[in-house]
Amino acid sequence: AQSVTQPDIHITVSEGASLELRCNYSYGATPYLFWYVQSPGQGLQLLLKYFSGDTLVQGIKGFEAEFKRSQSSFNLRKPSVHWSDAAEYFCAVGANNNDMRFGAGTRLTVKP
Amino acid sequence: DAGITQSPRHKVTETGTPVTLRCHQTENHRYMYWYRQDPGHGLRLIHYSYGVKDTDKGEVSDGYSVSRSKTEDFLLTLESATSSQTSVYFCAIQADGRNRNEQFFGPGTRLTVL
Repeated sequence: AQSVTQPDIHITVSEGASLELRCNYSYGATPYLFWYVQSPGQGLQLLLKYFSGDTLVQGIKGFEAEFKRSQSSFNLRKPSVHWSDAAEYFCAVGANNNDMRFGAGTRLTVKP
Repeated sequence: DAGITQSPRHKVTETGTPVTLRCHQTENHRYMYWYRQDPGHGLRLIHYSYGVKDTDKGEVSDGYSVSRSKTEDFLLTLESATSSQTSVYFCAIQADGRNRNEQFFGPGTRLTVL
């Protein structure tokens, strides 16, 4: 089955600084890749997804992610972080087996 | 926002008691999922349903059962709750089974088993 690794458990950035959250996946074919965001006490909200085509994907709230097949990565980026971006971020990989696998999550803290 | 509600939102119970969590959707989506969320593990699939009375196991199904008698409701039952089932439970819905499509999540149920 597919799997996902998010190497960073917790990241702290200053407001206005750039952000990159890492995601590595393991799957034998082209995966479907997702980034979700979870605010405290809330469910998950989709930020963006990739399943084919342009490897640079734009999402909501100014986020983007780039699929790099050679590195089995799907890192999430934002050029300038806002205090409201503080949340937990989950990378997920889906395949044609109706089995979505989620990473353990990266908690983002934003310093004023 | 997708119309998904979960009930109860919080529950405290004792070891050995049965517990049923309810997920209700108003989107008429065919697929429904139950996940549990634990620190360090992200979300893990417990069971899913691909139609009325059609269900299948996920990654961590032991100790859980599900039922779906109507399109809009998907029930998760812990027949005899254990402390290891203390977790936050999320329901999700999807229009079809293709994993390229987005899953919409409910607000979650925090379950504590003492």
